[in-house]
Amino acid sequence: AQTVTQSQPEMSVQEAETVTLSCTYDTSESDYYLFWYKQPPSRQMILVIRQEAYKQQNATENRFSVNFQKAAKSFSLKISDSQLGDAAMYFCAYVRYGQNFVFGPGTRLSVLP
Amino acid sequence: DAGVIQSPRHEVTEMGQEVTLRCKPISGHNSLFWYRQTMMRGLELLIYFNNNVPIDDSGMPEDRFSAKMPNASFSTLKIQPSEPRDSAVYFCASSSDRGRGGTEAFFGQGTRLTVV
Repeated sequence: AQTVTQSQPEMSVQEAETVTLSCTYDTSESDYYLFWYKQPPSRQMILVIRQEAYKQQNATENRFSVNFQKAAKSFSLKISDSQLGDAAMYFCAYVRYGQNFVFGPGTRLSVLP
Repeated sequence: DAGVIQSPRHEVTEMGQEVTLRCKPISGHNSLFWYRQTMMRGLELLIYFNNNVPIDDSGMPEDRFSAKMPNASFSTLKIQPSEPRDSAVYFCASSSDRGRGGTEAFFGQGTRLTVV
């Protein structure tokens, strides 16, 4: 079964600085999708960024970018110019066509003013 | 589209009572997921429907939990009888896996269930 691991239960970053959240996953498949979700205190799950495994180019979305290392099964999220509104739980997720989403345990990010 | 709609947003019930959570997925989505979130266990998949058919219900805790999807626009998660350990936030999410592959999962606002 696929598993997703986030080894950092908590992280903190100074406002305007850069932080990287780690995610590794285990799969024997070659075609799948990876996501980062943000859950602020409002508890709404918000998609941050999406990566298709067949694409070599790392996805970017404004201040958010990923470092996708397919061979290493690693999918880290980089947040640049951190803002107070970035404080939240961040979940890494894996899905393959026709299957359910598998989520990691989450990383709680604090942004320090 | 209004997104995934869950009701109620909050539910407080007494132990032993029946609880029904409702979900309306995004129109056109053919996959629906029920998750439970707690501090101790994180985000757990309870059940996954594809084209209204339950595909994976291995996460359903026990016989007290049941889920249905009578049509593409509605699903329910029922707990009978409820117990204090069922207290959690329950999320419904939907996605589309038509075409080459999947889209992201779109989540509802969640239902915070408290069983006293």
